[in-house]
Amino acid sequence: QVHLVESGGGVVQPGRSLRLSCAASGFTFSSYGMHWVRQAPGKGLEWVALIWYDGIDKYYADSVKGRFTISRDNSKNMLYLQMNSLRAEDTALYYCAKDRYNLDSWGQGTLVTVSS
Amino acid sequence: QSVLTQPPSASGTPGQRVTISCSGSSSNIGSNTVNWYQHLPGTAPKLLIYSNNQRPSGVPDRFSGSKSGTSASLAISGFQSEDEADYYCAAWDDSLNGFVFGTGTEVTVL
Repeated sequence: QVHLVESGGGVVQPGRSLRLSCAASGFTFSSYGMHWVRQAPGKGLEWVALIWYDGIDKYYADSVKGRFTISRDNSKNMLYLQMNSLRAEDTALYYCAKDRYNLDSWGQGTLVTVSS
Repeated sequence: QSVLTQPPSASGTPGQRVTISCSGSSSNIGSNTVNWYQHLPGTAPKLLIYSNNQRPSGVPDRFSGSKSGTSASLAISGFQSEDEADYYCAAWDDSLNGFVFGTGTEVTVL
């Protein structure tokens, strides 16, 4: 049974950094691409970033390009999102999701609030 | 802003057929497959349909998907009160080199 657990969210001031983590279990983590997706309060789902199974190829939404970095550690079954230069508009519930094409399993999310 | 357009709301009575449209372009729906997700805010989104019209195991067969050109649609046959949720279409966009979600449709029971 696939299990994805996000952590690392919290309240942070604008311009500061935060690193999110996603612990994966129940599947062969190293065989799957992984995504980060977010939902701002009262808004819809917004795709953030994708990393291929081997960590070599990475893709980002224009809204986070140059500020966020997706990475993974296949030896630990962990996915990460390093978020720098945070802005108020980055305030959202951040989900990790499995599978490059289908996003077929999701975690419960971790809340990031950017506020002074 | 999203490049996939959905109606903001839809509704139906129990047993009715409810459909949701998703309009895109040649760089996303026109050249890639479409997925549909069911989401209750604050919970984990659930994959309902993948590859335009395929249902993952465990998804009731009252949910079906279709695609034609640069548009796609999700149909709920025999609508049930437990189907009240937000629904999103999604596809890869070759121009943006990223995944895009639809604007979302809130489905409610009349």
